[in-house]
Amino acid sequence: GESVGLHLPTLSVQEGDNSIINCAYSNSASDYFIWYKQESGKGPQFIIDIRSNMDKRQGQRVTVLLNKTVKHLSLQIAATQPGDSAVYFCAENYGGSQGNLIFGKGTKLSVKP
Amino acid sequence: EPEVTQTPSHQVTQMGQEVILRCVPISNHLYFYWYRQILGQKVEFLVSFYNNEISEKSEIFDDQFSVERPDGSNFTLKIRSTKLEDSAMYFCASTRTANYGYTFGSGTRLTVV
Repeated sequence: GESVGLHLPTLSVQEGDNSIINCAYSNSASDYFIWYKQESGKGPQFIIDIRSNMDKRQGQRVTVLLNKTVKHLSLQIAATQPGDSAVYFCAENYGGSQGNLIFGKGTKLSVKP
Repeated sequence: EPEVTQTPSHQVTQMGQEVILRCVPISNHLYFYWYRQILGQKVEFLVSFYNNEISEKSEIFDDQFSVERPDGSNFTLKIRSTKLEDSAMYFCASTRTANYGYTFGSGTRLTVV
């Protein structure tokens, strides 16, 4: 029978360009957000996180922006490299939970050399 | 860098059989989690565990599932009578505090035939 899976949004960029991956989160009470990178057959790998009292946080080559008004999160990757090719997930955690994360649908990033 | 270790990497089992998936969380972490990811779908929360008891569980985590921390290092997920729809990647994660710095293992691919 037909398999029902999740159709992932795909972002294709040229090596060296900047990438922007977007995520809409679900719970206005969420106060902690994480971006994960997942390569095929592997577990989610932490990239960067941000708390709700901030609207921007920078790491090495990555920046996360948080817009609480519209419940939107973005991940910016500078000078994208072929090794950045993966599926990127945002995850949220809301206060009052015991720390379980709610994951978004994911975006598949393909980097063309 | 400390890692969360999961074994086995791949488990094939017959429907109706019991399986135990094993995890060794990072040694100074206090909160432990199991998540699963059906092929092509989102990562989904199953259960969180703190202070030797379940602190939160999802609807997926029914009576067929159980978790245990049998000693100071291992954290296991047991599925009593596997069903075809249990086929998925199962990820263990751990954190030092409830909403900071989740580290995921590489996962166990469970195939129920």
